[in-house]
Amino acid sequence: SQQGEEDPQALSIQEGENATMNCSYKTSINNLQWYRQNSGRGLVHLILIRSNEREKHSGRLRVTLDTSKKSSSLLITASRAADTASYFCATDAGANSKLTFGKGITLSVRP
Amino acid sequence: GAGVSQSPRYKVAKRGQDVALRCDPISGHVSLFWYQQALGQGPEFLTYFQNEAQLDKSGLPSDRFFAERPEGSVSTLKIQRTQQEDSAVYLCASSTYGQGYQPQHFGDGTRLSIL
Repeated sequence: SQQGEEDPQALSIQEGENATMNCSYKTSINNLQWYRQNSGRGLVHLILIRSNEREKHSGRLRVTLDTSKKSSSLLITASRAADTASYFCATDAGANSKLTFGKGITLSVRP
Repeated sequence: GAGVSQSPRYKVAKRGQDVALRCDPISGHVSLFWYQQALGQGPEFLTYFQNEAQLDKSGLPSDRFFAERPEGSVSTLKIQRTQQEDSAVYLCASSTYGQGYQPQHFGDGTRLSIL
């Protein structure tokens, strides 16, 4: 079963704009991760935030975590056409580090 | 590159046939995971290995699904008497094991179509 729910399901923006994607989850977690998936390919790890962290940055990525609301957001700044992909949040509840994924967000960045 | 390799990339089988999907993890990665991804959905956990030990198989949907990793490196996911609902992309991921949380590295998957 899916743990997370991403919002929106699909997002279309112009190159150079910022993209914000949200994720909610249901159970307590050790960490939350964001992955990107290009069509027909595997998932690529983007960023991990631990349950005791509130915000983390990596290049053009900024992720926040609110454990009281069981939610996270991923911000991609200055988007590029190459950012076009599906984005998934995944929670790690600590049981053998297996990940529970949401349904994903389809991001389209128009050149 | 030395990423996770899965084969075949595409597999078409008739309902009732047995299939075997292979995963070559990154060399030295202790942990290996199998996920099933239906069209338009996120991956769902199937099973987890630490070296050759299968520590969690709670996600396997039925006893027709079987996974092994006999020497702690290459893993095979076998599906017996395939059914149409088995059609999906099967993803393998590997990671190092140690203190802290390790990101999982995914292969490109095997797309299985059952006719």
